[in-house]
Amino acid sequence: NAGVTQTPKFQVLKTGQSMTLQCAQDMNHNSMYWYRQDPGMGLRLIYYSASEGTTDKGEVPNGYNVSRLNKREFSLRLESAAPSQTSVYFCASWDPGTANTEAFFGQGTRLTVV
Amino acid sequence: AQSVTQLGSHVSVSEGALVLLRCNYSSSVPPYLFWYVQYPNQGLQLLLKYTTGATLVKGINGFEAEFKKSETSFHLTKPSAHMSDAAEYFCAVSRRTSYDKVIFGPGTSLSVIP
Repeated sequence: NAGVTQTPKFQVLKTGQSMTLQCAQDMNHNSMYWYRQDPGMGLRLIYYSASEGTTDKGEVPNGYNVSRLNKREFSLRLESAAPSQTSVYFCASWDPGTANTEAFFGQGTRLTVV
Repeated sequence: AQSVTQLGSHVSVSEGALVLLRCNYSSSVPPYLFWYVQYPNQGLQLLLKYTTGATLVKGINGFEAEFKKSETSFHLTKPSAHMSDAAEYFCAVSRRTSYDKVIFGPGTSLSVIP
């Protein structure tokens, strides 16, 4: 059981370049999320998809786009990378609102924009 | 709107001493509450959660937390710290509704001194 798989694990981009972070989960969860983690700021929600076919902005959506490709996959795209987007990105999935709810996280993507 | 505060961005304890990590939340409705742990260069792992029932919740690795509604708190404790407990700890809150997002606190870095 792989859980939540993110690719790539590491990436260096030049300012202005674009890239897509991939995320897939095999737990049949309806909801998927993208967070960024920066020192002293915890995890901040970028975008989330409550169910297949829907996406919503989180706390820090500027500079990002997302696609919920199907129930398993949720990608995050940086159209024109900026140094401020240097961060560690985590994908998560779960079905909130139930007593058994628990968020499962990928291992993270460490992105550096130079 | 929901929010989470964690008192102390960094906590140091001696090996064998009590661990106390503080978490306070604000929520307009009774929430679900979580503690996650992040070891270096890894994703987040659920330590414990409060959804309903007993307010004292036991988790993995000897940790426990108590939900105190009157104090809007969910502090994490462990009677005796171990070197392997050194990690980043995040408190999080979610509303008791389907398809809602989880909001994380800024995190507390725990150091254990031999």
